[in-house]
Amino acid sequence: NAGVTQTPKFRILKIGQSMTLQCAQDMNHNYMYWYRQDPGMGLKLIYYSVGAGITDKGEVPNGYNVSRSTTEDFPLRLELAAPSQTSVYFCASTGQANQPQHFGDGTRLSIL
Amino acid sequence: DAKTTQPTSMDCAEGRAANLPCNHSTISGNEYVYWYRQIHSQGPQYIIHGLKNNETNEMASLIITEDRKSSTLILPHATLRDTAVYYCIAWREDMRFGAGTRLTVKP
Repeated sequence: NAGVTQTPKFRILKIGQSMTLQCAQDMNHNYMYWYRQDPGMGLKLIYYSVGAGITDKGEVPNGYNVSRSTTEDFPLRLELAAPSQTSVYFCASTGQANQPQHFGDGTRLSIL
Repeated sequence: DAKTTQPTSMDCAEGRAANLPCNHSTISGNEYVYWYRQIHSQGPQYIIHGLKNNETNEMASLIITEDRKSSTLILPHATLRDTAVYYCIAWREDMRFGAGTRLTVKP
């Protein structure tokens, strides 16, 4: 049982490059989330989705895009990477309202 | 939507109970209280949740006041491995984490 799988685990980008952080879950969960966590800080919600085809902005969506074409996958796209986007990115999912979130192991992204 | 307030940090002696408070005075009647913890830079780990009754599982106990304005997470016998940041959150569709409480368990 894989749970929530994030790829890659580590990545270094140059300023202005773009990339997609992948997140997949095999639990048939409806809700999926992307968070970022800067050193010494709490998690900030970037985007979330309550089901395939539906996405909504969180607290810090600027500079990111998401899509939810399937229940399983929720990729996060960074366009024109900036040093301020250096962070650890966590993906999470939950099956339905009032159920616990399951988190992935995170993607550590550095932009130089 | 309920906002939660937690102390920034707490210490606890190894083997003693750790009692972590959370204030959620604006919580609505159908919002569950959730507790997670995060050890180092790992992904947050679910601990326990409740609506209005006290709850207990293998990790912790959750005490919710009758008026539901506050709750306490209890780790009955804290170990060094319980050193982590603990988050108290009221469930909502766009789940948001605050700064949490940094618990340090000391020998």
